[in-house]
Amino acid sequence: DAKTTQPPSMDCAEGRAANLPCNHSTISGNEYVYWYRQIHSQGPQYIIHGLKNNETNEMASLIITEDRKSSTLILPHATLRDTAVYYCIVRAYSGAGSYQLTFGKGTKLSVIP
Amino acid sequence: EPEVTQTPSHQVTQMGQEVILRCVPISNHLYFYWYRQILGQKVEFLVSFYNNEISEKSEIFDDQFSVERPDGSNFTLKIRSTKLEDSAMYFCASSRTLRELFFGEGSRLTVL
Repeated sequence: DAKTTQPPSMDCAEGRAANLPCNHSTISGNEYVYWYRQIHSQGPQYIIHGLKNNETNEMASLIITEDRKSSTLILPHATLRDTAVYYCIVRAYSGAGSYQLTFGKGTKLSVIP
Repeated sequence: EPEVTQTPSHQVTQMGQEVILRCVPISNHLYFYWYRQILGQKVEFLVSFYNNEISEKSEIFDDQFSVERPDGSNFTLKIRSTKLEDSAMYFCASSRTLRELFFGEGSRLTVL
């Protein structure tokens, strides 16, 4: 799986958009970009994923550059409850019925009142 | 909203004892996983399970570990003889397709 690079920490003012970057310059054509987050010591929570088109759901938007070497997760109106560690993961589907995710250190997002 | 549930939330055990961590995946999910997170470290993959057999396991998942789906609802992780280094938060996850995983809240294991 392609390696990802994320800043270790970021701050965001409450109510503002949080833009979390991720570099994945070695991503291959069949690899998807996934974002998960982990609030305190809870289980990781799926946020969004995409291949090459931008994606949006009720939680966030995912912007993937045209060359797919980087992406940005956007939380449009950050709240205090969005304070968490955010993980960017690239992964191809495995046809063998497994789905191993490789978590890095992620970005610790602190939403400031 | 359906969720993955795990029990116990916290277990304290003596080194060398057997431990069973239990998980109830989301009911229509087909793929099941165990991950662990040692305090302050990354979330690590242990094992995935599909169609009543292990489909993939990591180097961490040695002979001391086993998984089972004894009935249609439970998914268990057994550690046969616990070591101090097994102390961690263990997360169960399930998925309906090979896409997003849904994680439980975790079971904290403390080995003394």
